[in-house]
Amino acid sequence: QVQLQQSGAELAKPGSSVKISCKASGYTFTSYYISWIKQTTGQGLEYIGYINTGSGGTNYNEKFKGKATLTVDKSSSTAFMQLSSLTPDDSAVYYCAHIAANFDYWGQGVMVTVSS
Amino acid sequence: DIQMTQSPASLSASLGETVSIECLASEDIYSYLAWYQQKPGKSPQLLIYAANRLQDGVPSRFSGSGSGTQYSLKISGMQPEDEGDYFCLQGSKFPFTFGSGTKLEIK
Repeated sequence: QVQLQQSGAELAKPGSSVKISCKASGYTFTSYYISWIKQTTGQGLEYIGYINTGSGGTNYNEKFKGKATLTVDKSSSTAFMQLSSLTPDDSAVYYCAHIAANFDYWGQGVMVTVSS
Repeated sequence: DIQMTQSPASLSASLGETVSIECLASEDIYSYLAWYQQKPGKSPQLLIYAANRLQDGVPSRFSGSGSGTQYSLKISGMQPEDEGDYFCLQGSKFPFTFGSGTKLEIK
């Protein structure tokens, strides 16, 4: 079955970076884009952007340009999101997902906490 | 960006009651609208896609309707397992945007 398995929770200091992984299984990895979504209690759900898992091409929400960097490793069917120059506002749960009509699968989410 | 105004923010319903949640888009989204349910500590689960198409495995008491800028999710006969957060997502124009969510509780 289709699964998106994300890496574990992160505790990071302000100004640092974290890199979250999303390992796909159960389907042809390069057939579907992977999206990334941020969820906070205050701001709700925000769409960060997506990566074309075949070409590596990306499209970012303007709000997250310079904050998030999306990459893929086709050899391991894994997508990555690096968050840089972290501030407390980056504390959130981050999901990877396939959002394509009824081909809709989400990872379990990664909680990122930014604190000194 | 397309703004998705979702209402109500919270809702309390009795078992068996029919409830509706609305999403209003700031421009025409051509039925590129999905509805999700999220339980605490879990990932969102797709209920409806393309405004009115029921995702496989989702109970038929869930239905979606709407077009243009106005969309709604209806639950016909509230069940205990329907408690949770619901939100809409527009996929018509990048960046995709979400409604602010509705917390549905049993009365």
